[in-house]
Amino acid sequence: EPEVTQTPSHQVTQMGQEVILRCVPISNHLYFYWYRQILGQKVEFLVSFYNNEISEKSEIFDDQFSVERPDGSNFTLKIRSTKLEDSAMYFCASSNREGGSPLHFGNGTRLTVT
Amino acid sequence: QKEVEQDPGPLSVPEGAIVSLNCTYSNSAFQYFMWYRQYSRKGPELLMYTYSSGNKEDGRFTAQVDKSSKYISLFIRDSQPSDSATYLCAFFMDTGRRALTFGSGTRLQVQP
Repeated sequence: EPEVTQTPSHQVTQMGQEVILRCVPISNHLYFYWYRQILGQKVEFLVSFYNNEISEKSEIFDDQFSVERPDGSNFTLKIRSTKLEDSAMYFCASSNREGGSPLHFGNGTRLTVT
Repeated sequence: QKEVEQDPGPLSVPEGAIVSLNCTYSNSAFQYFMWYRQYSRKGPELLMYTYSSGNKEDGRFTAQVDKSSKYISLFIRDSQPSDSATYLCAFFMDTGRRALTFGSGTRLQVQP
């Protein structure tokens, strides 16, 4: 069964450094998402992406965050200057249509900011 | 009032028990209802997906939606230790916000 893959599985970085989290969505999917889960808390929406542009973002997704689909297969989340509170699991998800289509999630990247 | 309410548990049951997991919601715009299972340090895995009131069955799992009461349930029959995980309810609107809204999750432990 096709799956969403994320790399790396664990990233440790120092405060103020830039990180790029990578995702390969399911190949025929057109809608891409990033979610975040701080340890012990709920899964929170960050951003959705369709047709090479952001279609929706949450208040968490401030100017320090950006997303990109640099080629036909990868989808990336960049955090420009990491803060301690950015430490969390970051999940990429994809779906094949909008409007209630179920999302398929990757296994996440655990980001630790020291 | 929170948009989604879900008891965090933990819920501990013996192997073979019937498990009932529930969520209530306040947003009438939610039209699509999902249940995800999340093992520790893994991504949410889709279990059930429905868009109407009533029951939907898939193997040992039954999803139930009551739109009039804004209440959804997931039943697990013949629970197994491998069902031990956190179960997340999730909701999608038909229009407006396109992001999936999650409940906080219920941690389930099935004792062998």
